Amino acid sequence: ETGVTQSPTHLIKTRGQQVTLRCSSQSGHNTVSWYQQALGQGPQFIFQYYREEENGRGNFPPRFSGLQFPNYSSELNVNALELDDSALYLCASSLLDSRDTFGSGTRLTVV
Amino acid sequence: GESVGLHLPTLSVQEGDNSIINCAYSNSASDYFIWYKQESGKGPQFIIDIRSNMDKRQGQRVTVLLNKTVKHLSLQIAATQPGDSAVYFCAERRGGSYIPTFGRGTSLIVHP
Repeated sequence: ETGVTQSPTHLIKTRGQQVTLRCSSQSGHNTVSWYQQALGQGPQFIFQYYREEENGRGNFPPRFSGLQFPNYSSELNVNALELDDSALYLCASSLLDSRDTFGSGTRLTVV
Repeated sequence: GESVGLHLPTLSVQEGDNSIINCAYSNSASDYFIWYKQESGKGPQFIIDIRSNMDKRQGQRVTVLLNKTVKHLSLQIAATQPGDSAVYFCAERRGGSYIPTFGRGTSLIVHP
């Protein structure tokens, strides 16, 4: 059974740029959630995708967007990057209404 | 605002001791609680969960206690080992919502 994999593991971007982060969900899972984890903080829910549609969203601006593909993999896109977007971005997969299985994250640094 | 929080940011224990990590929540509508362990460089790993219709649940070396009267959750780790060193998060979900809210986390340090 393959777990949740994320790419890239680390990324450095310049303020104002756009970034795409990728996630492959665990085999058998149909739901993907994305979280932002700032240093020293708990993960903050960004949004969830189920059957290729957004199924819930946290308190993040529209420049955070996502996609889920038919194979249940997912992308997180962030436009107009700001310094405060520097964080660990976690992807988690699950069956709907079940607990999340997390990947190891992508460390994004905005300079 | 309503939130999930932890009483202690850092807990240091000796190997073999029992550890207790506490968590407070303020939303009485929360009906599902999860404890996660996060090691350095990794994502959170599920440890144990409990629903609001229970007040205690046991796993392997871990026990979660839920006190709905005072809105308090605790994680007990028996015979703590160096491999238990990590940051522990509690998370809660409110009834009818898929969105979990995480607390800030407690760093557990186990000294050999």
